[in-house]
Amino acid sequence: SQKIEQNSEALNIQEGKTATLTCNYTNYSPAYLQWYRQDPGRGPVFLLLIRENEKEKRKERLKVTFDTTLKQSLFHITASQPADSATYLCALGVTNNDMRFGAGTRLTVKP
Amino acid sequence: GAVVSQHPSRVICKSGTSVKIECRSLDFQATTMFWYRQFPKQSLMLMATSNEGSKATYEQGVEKDKFLINHASLTLSTLTVTSAHPEDSSFYICSAPRRDRGSRGYTFGSGTRLTVV
Repeated sequence: SQKIEQNSEALNIQEGKTATLTCNYTNYSPAYLQWYRQDPGRGPVFLLLIRENEKEKRKERLKVTFDTTLKQSLFHITASQPADSATYLCALGVTNNDMRFGAGTRLTVKP
Repeated sequence: GAVVSQHPSRVICKSGTSVKIECRSLDFQATTMFWYRQFPKQSLMLMATSNEGSKATYEQGVEKDKFLINHASLTLSTLTVTSAHPEDSSFYICSAPRRDRGSRGYTFGSGTRLTVV
């Protein structure tokens, strides 16, 4: 069966450290993968997209990797801040417009 | 750019009544709108895809007669939960593909918290 698994429901780290979130998938062949941030009671906000032929993408303190052999994406936030606390969702681009979401990882950055 | 405005943000309704949720694309034309529901600590579950001027496509297990979707214009899509029951209480979110600056991210509405009592 098809699955999208984000490694942990919750992740707690200290301010200034690097947060690493994992997204693993099974029985999908995504053309691209996206990461979103969702705050409580709000809709997700798009952060980064990485295509199947790209290994790594960066945006400011964010870095995403995409390994189609391992069927895994890693999402890193460097120099984390309390304001980075949120739930982060990975989403697989199955077709041109069809996205499938993971359940998310709730990140808490403690001062 | 690429803003989707969703209303209402919260609604409480009585069991058996209907509730309409609106999503408007403010600065772009949304030929496609996706409707999701999300239960606490769970993933976004795609309910249906609406396309302007044609019938919506529903995911397996989603009752099309209960969740009525209308996408009559390029800037407005609505979801009506008919004869709502307490089990329909959830967070409903719409989203539209964005194409600005070559991005293929989705722009989401802010969500509607529906509580059926």
